[in-house]
Amino acid sequence: QVQLVESGGGVVQPGRSLRLSCAASGFTFSTYGMHWVRQPPGKGLEWVAVIWYDGNNKYYADSVKGRFTISRDNSKNTLYLQMNSLRAEDTALYYCTREFIAGWFDPWGQGTLVTVSS
Amino acid sequence: SYELTQPPSVSVSLGQMARITCSGEALPKKYAYWYQQKPGQAPVLVIYKDSERPSGIPERFSGSSSGTIVTLTISGVQAEDEADYYCLSADSSGTVVFGGGTKLTVL
Repeated sequence: QVQLVESGGGVVQPGRSLRLSCAASGFTFSTYGMHWVRQPPGKGLEWVAVIWYDGNNKYYADSVKGRFTISRDNSKNTLYLQMNSLRAEDTALYYCTREFIAGWFDPWGQGTLVTVSS
Repeated sequence: SYELTQPPSVSVSLGQMARITCSGEALPKKYAYWYQQKPGQAPVLVIYKDSERPSGIPERFSGSSSGTIVTLTISGVQAEDEADYYCLSADSSGTVVFGGGTKLTVL
């Protein structure tokens, strides 16, 4: 079945870095755009970044631009999010999701929790 | 930066109609999508391209668009429809944006 599994979350101090991974299975990963979406505890969804199917185009939310980098390895069916210079406001559950068609995100992973705290 | 504005909360009696709005300057030119999220679960798409309903989503869910406002309508609200609802769209540069979310309470 189509599945996404995130990993790499944890507790990190402000200013440090963390890399999230998202392992995809059950579909042809290399033919889909992929997104990261985050949700702070008790708050709403926030789109973070997108990478096109071939990795040639990437776009970011203003709140993470210049600090986060989205990438993918189509040979490993894996999506990544490199997060640098982390701030307390980056604390959230981070979801990866496939762009099934434009604007239609499905499926979603279970999320990986990132906590930025000293 | 581009914003989509939703009411924080909407309350409706069981069996009545619920309407949740989402406003944004680019909505006349960009499609809107609606996601339902229940506690502890990932979001689920309930409406795409303003008014299309994915297979498996009950017919009581519908969407409409008028100018800078899109609306999610739930006719004959059921208890299981109590959830947070988010609109999603894009700005002129293609950057994706979620609305702030609306908590639907079924009385």
